[in-house]
Formats: sequence, C-alpha cells, structure tokens
Amino acid sequence: IAGITQAPTSQILAAGRRMTLRCTQDMRHNAMYWYRQDLGLGLRLIHYSNTAGTTGKGEVPDGYSVSRANTDDFPLTLASAVPSQTSVYFCASSHRPGLAGGNEQFFGPGTRLTVL
Amino acid sequence: EDQVTQSPEALRLQEGESSSLNCSYTVSGLRGLFWYRQDPGKGPEFLFTLYSAGEEKEKERLKATLTKKESFLHITAPKPEDSATYLCAALGGLTGGGNKLTFGTGTQLKVEL
Repeated sequence: IAGITQAPTSQILAAGRRMTLRCTQDMRHNAMYWYRQDLGLGLRLIHYSNTAGTTGKGEVPDGYSVSRANTDDFPLTLASAVPSQTSVYFCASSHRPGLAGGNEQFFGPGTRLTVL
Repeated sequence: EDQVTQSPEALRLQEGESSSLNCSYTVSGLRGLFWYRQDPGKGPEFLFTLYSAGEEKEKERLKATLTKKESFLHITAPKPEDSATYLCAALGGLTGGGNKLTFGTGTQLKVEL
C-alpha cells in the first residue's frame, strides 16, 4: 500500500536520552517534512527536505536534526530529549515543491512521544 | 509573517444540518490553500487544494471555496461519519525554496444523530 510509514507509533523517553523517529515513503516524492502537533498550537514545521541530500529549517528546529540520504527515508533525531519535546510528530511528503499541482502534502500516521 | 485562523474552534451539528467552517488567511503570494481532515489519533488526510479566488472544489458532502482573504468549507447534510477535525493550511510565496505550509488550529466538528 503506497504511503508514509512512521515508527515507532508511540514512545516514552527519559529526558536527556537520544531518540530517532523514522519516516519512510514509497510514493517517490521529492520533498519531505517533519511537523509537531500540540494542542492549541496546531501543526508546526520542524525541518524539511526538498530533495535527497538537502535539508532546511522550519519554524521550530531547535533540539532536532534531520538527514536525507535517499528519496524514501527522512529520520528525525532528538539529540538530548527535553520534556517540552513531548508532542505528536508527523512526517509528510509532497511531489515537487514549487510546481503547480505538486504542492499537496500527504501525512503519515504520527508518532506520539512523551519525554519525562 | 503568514497567518491562518480558523473558526469556530468547535461545532456541533445535528445530522442533516448544513453549516460552514471558516479559514481566514494572511499570506503573501498565496500559492495554494489546502483543506485536511484529521480523525483522532490519525494523521491529516488531504481533501482539497484551491489556487485562486473564485475557485470551488467538491467531494461528496463537502465543498471548499476561496476568496482573496478566506476560504470556506461547506458541509451539506452532514452525517456522523463527517465528525473530525478539519484543518486549513496556506502555502505562501517561495522563500528559500520548498513548500512551507502554515496551518490553522482546526475546527473540531461533531455531527450527532
């Protein structure tokens, strides 16, 4: 089934620990994104990648890093987790940024992360 | 700074009671206005893209419209299965490349029998 998968589904993490959230898409989309969703704040962009080998910072990048070694995978790493990073994290992808008709972003099922 | 505001925050309808959700946006160089549906515990599901004022898109009981300042999601004769949170997002002009969507906080719709 084509789409985006994320792992893990949920995780409880001790503060200070390192954590990598995984995201894989099989739609051959060029662009990928990481968002966090918090009650009352909506979805906020953390990092994005327009194409394999490139990444960029979103609205709330501090404390997070990403890499894009290939088209399909876009992992998000929390180097040293803090309680304020408790959130639901969504990965998304889109076809080709900047071109009409290729702007729709498609989302994965999310990872619920709790940092204690 | 791009901004998207949705209203109301929550809406309760009886089955068959039509209504509209509002999305006001302040975006420089709008390149697209998107509507998503999000069910509890799930990721947002894409519904519509609107590109220019006057454009309309329809899907089953949903119709999205766009003006220069706002978008509406009209729900005609809703059913309980239409209950969800509806998110609006705007895509502004290219800044450093990429599709950086600005999301509203959503309207939580509950349709009752």
